[in-house]
Amino acid sequence: QSALTQPASVSGSPGQSITISCTGTSNDVGGHQYVSWYQQLPGKTPKLILYDVNNRPSGIPDRFSGSKSGNTASLTVSGLQTEDEADYFCNSYTTSGLYVFGTGTKVTVL
Amino acid sequence: QVQLVQSGAEVTKPGASLKVSCKEPGLNWMHWVRQAPGQGLEWMGVVSPPGTWSLLAQKFRGRFTMTKDTSTSTVYMQLTSLTSDDTAVYYCAREEETTKKFDDWGQGTLVIVSS
Repeated sequence: QSALTQPASVSGSPGQSITISCTGTSNDVGGHQYVSWYQQLPGKTPKLILYDVNNRPSGIPDRFSGSKSGNTASLTVSGLQTEDEADYFCNSYTTSGLYVFGTGTKVTVL
Repeated sequence: QVQLVQSGAEVTKPGASLKVSCKEPGLNWMHWVRQAPGQGLEWMGVVSPPGTWSLLAQKFRGRFTMTKDTSTSTVYMQLTSLTSDDTAVYYCAREEETTKKFDDWGQGTLVIVSS
């Protein structure tokens, strides 16, 4: 199972919006709605920020949103804040019952 | 926030075996994820709530084994024939029911394989 493809880095200024893509295949991202996103602050444990493409767990601000088109899912962070500087990973359930993470994206707030 | 408590860091030699533990609240689907130094997250496998079924990613089959002790609500990842490529932080993560997401994470267990 190959890792899902994410851009290595994305940057933006405070207040701007950024979008991170997550590209897979019809066997994972394109096959269902079980795409989730995780934020990993420097030196910290990963944290769930979106699930089922565009659902937020309790406590996650609505600045974080998700979408999916075909084999590509996307995470958008609107109104970028300094505390959003972190690594972001997508994850997808696959048609074979396994899971696969994306390669990860480092978000820098300029 | 559900707390998952993992065992402490380990330093071991190539070819050795060790077991990482994770105490969970009980009756959860439990996953294992690892992260090599400076690298991304890698899904390793999942074990069912009663511990009667498990599924490992292909690359780990034959060397790694997941088990669960329901009497203590502890899940284990047994690592064997370790190499330096297995040096990583190993996380357990809880999946609420069958929601296909990792709701809570353990604090991570650093495993260093070095001669």
